[in-house]
Amino acid sequence: GESVGLHLPTLSVQEGDNSIINCAYSNSASDYFIWYKQESGKGPQFIIDIRSNMDKRQGQRVTVLLNKTVKHLSLQIAATQPGDSAVYFCAERNAGNMLTFGGGTRLMVKP
Amino acid sequence: DVKVTQSSRYLVKRTGEKVFLECVQDMDHENMFWYRQDPGLGLRLIYFSYDVKMKEKGDIPEGYSVSREKKERFSLILESASTNQTSMYLCASSLPGQAYGYTFGSGTRLTVV
Repeated sequence: GESVGLHLPTLSVQEGDNSIINCAYSNSASDYFIWYKQESGKGPQFIIDIRSNMDKRQGQRVTVLLNKTVKHLSLQIAATQPGDSAVYFCAERNAGNMLTFGGGTRLMVKP
Repeated sequence: DVKVTQSSRYLVKRTGEKVFLECVQDMDHENMFWYRQDPGLGLRLIYFSYDVKMKEKGDIPEGYSVSREKKERFSLILESASTNQTSMYLCASSLPGQAYGYTFGSGTRLTVV
């Protein structure tokens, strides 16, 4: 889940299991949310997005769920693979079309 | 393949030095951004620019300045580097109104000793 400290939360899963990464966002007026994946030595890359008028969106092996009532976002990865090992960030779009990023969660996939 | 290129992957500088971090994008994007990334704190916006010669302060501009003399290039300047500026610096660009279209560089890991 989200971190408010200096250490990155880590989720460790077995290869083939499903992963769920959570994010609490801050602004109830945010209308658009994105999940990014950052592999070691690379910049963040777009994975999937969702608008605030939706509560679920699916991509290839990934699903994003949005619960506006509690300002919570989750990323589900099905059949997690070693290549999914990375740091995952949520981002919310605020006024002025700027993104605010969460602290990130490190996903480690055990073979 | 479109991209954002940061000139250095790793830099080591001394306290008090003036440091330039360069970022170039080849996508003709109007918007460019500089973030710093620290464990558990996510990406924090330092400065951004909507057009050539335009700049806006982000959330943590203190100790930094920027330059955007050409559309494709956005430079981050540390006027007098300090150890608390040791961090990973990420540059990004996007078209106006496209929050989903942020393209990030690979980052510059700066160490100030």
